[in-house]
Amino acid sequence: GAVVSQHPSRVICKSGTSVKIECRSLDFQATTMFWYRQFPKKSLMLMATSNEGSKATYEQGVEKDKFLINHASLTLSTLTVTSAHPEDSSFYICSASGWPTGELFFGEGSRLTVL
Amino acid sequence: QKEVEQNSGPLSVPEGAIASLNCTYSDRGSQSFFWYRQYSGKSPELIMSIYSNGDKEDGRFTAQLNKASQYVSLLIRDSQPSDSATYLCAVIVGKSTFGDGTTLTVKP
Repeated sequence: GAVVSQHPSRVICKSGTSVKIECRSLDFQATTMFWYRQFPKKSLMLMATSNEGSKATYEQGVEKDKFLINHASLTLSTLTVTSAHPEDSSFYICSASGWPTGELFFGEGSRLTVL
Repeated sequence: QKEVEQNSGPLSVPEGAIASLNCTYSDRGSQSFFWYRQYSGKSPELIMSIYSNGDKEDGRFTAQLNKASQYVSLLIRDSQPSDSATYLCAVIVGKSTFGDGTTLTVKP
């Protein structure tokens, strides 16, 4: 299957700082990537759909100014958690969609802890 | 009604038994169906995909799809302790929609 790489896998930061998470598709071009958030023992919550060369589409209730998404190339999407607070602590996972079947290939996930 | 619903679980089976995971979906236009396995603290990994009615087998895993009943299932034969994980059903209509997952424990 396709390979999606996510970095960093773990990050600890102080409240008020911004954190950037990168998601790369290593062996295929991904025009669309997805960002999820997952709380312990809960399912994946889609945050936004990242489209190469255009603005991301955010799900209802997700703050656009809080979670900045940039998809500058066909292989890279980034999620920046701005002015992070402890309630932003979570497991963030990116995925890229295979074509034409649409299966999702997930990155390894990034565990964010905000102190 | 949720778009994708899975048996609430948790599901516990003895080693060697068959584990049966079920999923129903609400959108009749759904065309693609996937099962993902997620170990605790890890991201999901794709284990099965199915697109047409009937059964699809891959090793110990069998996916079953019935579009008329809007039902997709995953059978795991000869369950092993390493199969203990949360299994997510995903349905695609435009975008992927996930069920809440069923946690499976296989006891030695």
